[in-house]
Order: sequence, then C-alpha cells, then structure tokens
Amino acid sequence: AQTVTQSQPEMSVQEAETVTLSCTYDTSESDYYLFWYKQPPSRQMILVIRQEAYKQQNATENRFSVNFQKAAKSFSLKISDSQLGDAAMYFCAYRSAIRGSQGNLIFGKGTKLSVKP
Amino acid sequence: GAGVSQSPSNKVTEKGKDVELRCDPISGHTALYWYRQSLGQGLEFLIYFQGNSAPDKSGLPSDRFSAERTGGSVSTLTIQRTQQEDSAVYLCASSLEPTTSGLAKNIQYFGAGTRLSVL
Repeated sequence: AQTVTQSQPEMSVQEAETVTLSCTYDTSESDYYLFWYKQPPSRQMILVIRQEAYKQQNATENRFSVNFQKAAKSFSLKISDSQLGDAAMYFCAYRSAIRGSQGNLIFGKGTKLSVKP
Repeated sequence: GAGVSQSPSNKVTEKGKDVELRCDPISGHTALYWYRQSLGQGLEFLIYFQGNSAPDKSGLPSDRFSAERTGGSVSTLTIQRTQQEDSAVYLCASSLEPTTSGLAKNIQYFGAGTRLSVL
C-alpha cells in the first residue's frame, strides 16, 4: 500500500521569505501523480501544484515550485515570496496512474503554515 | 455548476439519528470521490463512483455508511445510527475521468465539505 508522510506538523515563515514543506512517499508503482493541496479555514481543498512521476522536470506554478526526487521518493514544496494569504494547511497527496485503479488520493497528515507579517 | 457543491455546510445531530450528506459534482465529471477528514485519522478515502457505479465499497468505515449516485451526477452519503466517532468533515471531489491517460483529466476538485457533529 502507498503511504505519504509529512514530517512537519507546523511551519512558520516571514512574509516575503521562502519556505519549503517536506513530503516523502512510499510506493512500488512506477507511474503515479503527486499533488500539493492547500486547505484554508474555509475547508475547501485547493490544488496548488501537480507533478507526473514520469516527468523529470520539476513543476512550477508562479511562486510555487516542487523538488521532485523520484529515486528518493521525495516531493517537497517551495513557496517563494510568501504572502499572508498563503497561511493554510498544506497536504501532499499521491494518486496511482495505473489503469483500473480507483484513482483516489492518498494524503499526508498535513503541514500547518503560518505567515508572519 | 461552477464547482463542487456540498450540502449542508454544517450538520449537528444526536447520536443514533440518520443523516444524509449531499454532493453535486462539476457538470460532466464522471468520477466522484468521498473522503472523511477527522482529527485522529487525517484524510481518509471512503468511496469512489464511476458514473453511478461504486466498484469497491471497502473504504466505508462500517455498514452504517452507504452511498449512492444517481444520473451520473448528485451523490448522497448516508450515515445511519450516527455515533460520536462519526463526527468529522466529509469532503466530496470530482474529476473528469478516473485513471485514463492525461493528468488534466485526473485532477480532483473538492467541495467545501460538510462538518458533521454528533452529540
């Protein structure tokens, strides 16, 4: 079975600074997707960034980028120029890309990010 | 609709009562997922629908939980004889397709959830 581990329950960053959230996962599959979702107090999970396992190039979305290390099974999220609106719970998630699988997301426990003004 | 809609937003019920939680997915999304988010268990997958069919119900926590989807659209999660341990946020997500090729079709979009409190 696949597992996702986020080792940092809480993180804090100064506004305009950079922060990196860690995520490791365990799988025997070769084809899968990885995601970072943001959950503000409104509860709605918002997709931040996604990565296909077969792509070596790290995904980037504006101020958000990932460091995907497939061999190490690591998928960290870097937030540059942190803003107050970035404060939220961040979840790392894994999804199988195997045809016939249900495609459900497997989540880590989350990291609560605080942004200090 | 523009996004995934869940109702009610909050539900308070007494132990032993039945509750129904509703999810209205994004129009055209064939895949629908239910998750439960609780303090002790984090985010756990409950059930998946492809169209109106749920091929595997083993993720449901107990036989008090059931789910259905009609017309390939709205889904209802029913909890019978609620217990205090059922208190959680129930999240629904939908995607265009489950696991066919193409990441864009596999992205899950979430609703704001239903917070269930069992007294």
